[in-house]
Amino acid sequence: DVKVTQSSRYLVKRTGEKVFLECVQDMDHENMFWYRQDPGLGLRLIYFSYDVKMKEKGDIPEGYSVSREKKERFSLILESASTNQTSMYLCASSYQGAYEQYFGPGTRLTVT
Amino acid sequence: RKEVEQDPGPFNVPEGATVAFNCTYSNSASQSFFWYRQDCRKEPKLLMSVYSSGNEDGRFTAQLNRASQYISLLIRDSKLSDSATYLCVVDYGQNFVFGPGTRLSVLP
Repeated sequence: DVKVTQSSRYLVKRTGEKVFLECVQDMDHENMFWYRQDPGLGLRLIYFSYDVKMKEKGDIPEGYSVSREKKERFSLILESASTNQTSMYLCASSYQGAYEQYFGPGTRLTVT
Repeated sequence: RKEVEQDPGPFNVPEGATVAFNCTYSNSASQSFFWYRQDCRKEPKLLMSVYSSGNEDGRFTAQLNRASQYISLLIRDSKLSDSATYLCVVDYGQNFVFGPGTRLSVLP
């Protein structure tokens, strides 16, 4: 059974703090993704990665960076958190060339 | 701009009803289409892929209309457990674009 885990379910940070969101998958998937989900806007892709040390910008990369040092782990970094980054963050993974994405449970981040 | 549009709903239907959702997309070159289901406060999960010829999985039927660039999901004999948000997903080359979702509430 595929499992995608995220480091925290709920997180509260202050404006200007550096924030790390961690995602780990246990199915040896090549592809990993970070989305944010906001009411009325759906899921929007922040960054994705098709291989270790590889990263590609999604639709809304501004204010975020990512790191993929190991195949199973994909980290999302908010260098200086702002209130407009308050959102639900979802990590997903999939096999290369496959289409089904498996999602983690999400991290609800609040920036005050 | 990548666009996948859905009627946000909510669709409130009685148990046993048939309900249909539509989703429109703007990329005529898209090749892959999916419906995901997301329960309240849960992560999205794949419900079914959408094939050119249309496909059925039990009470669920998905259809694709390439000429008009829309896909549909039909749910027959609705159950209380079908209450969820249904997300339309379309490939835009390197990655997938999710629609905002349509919320369904099946009422007893």
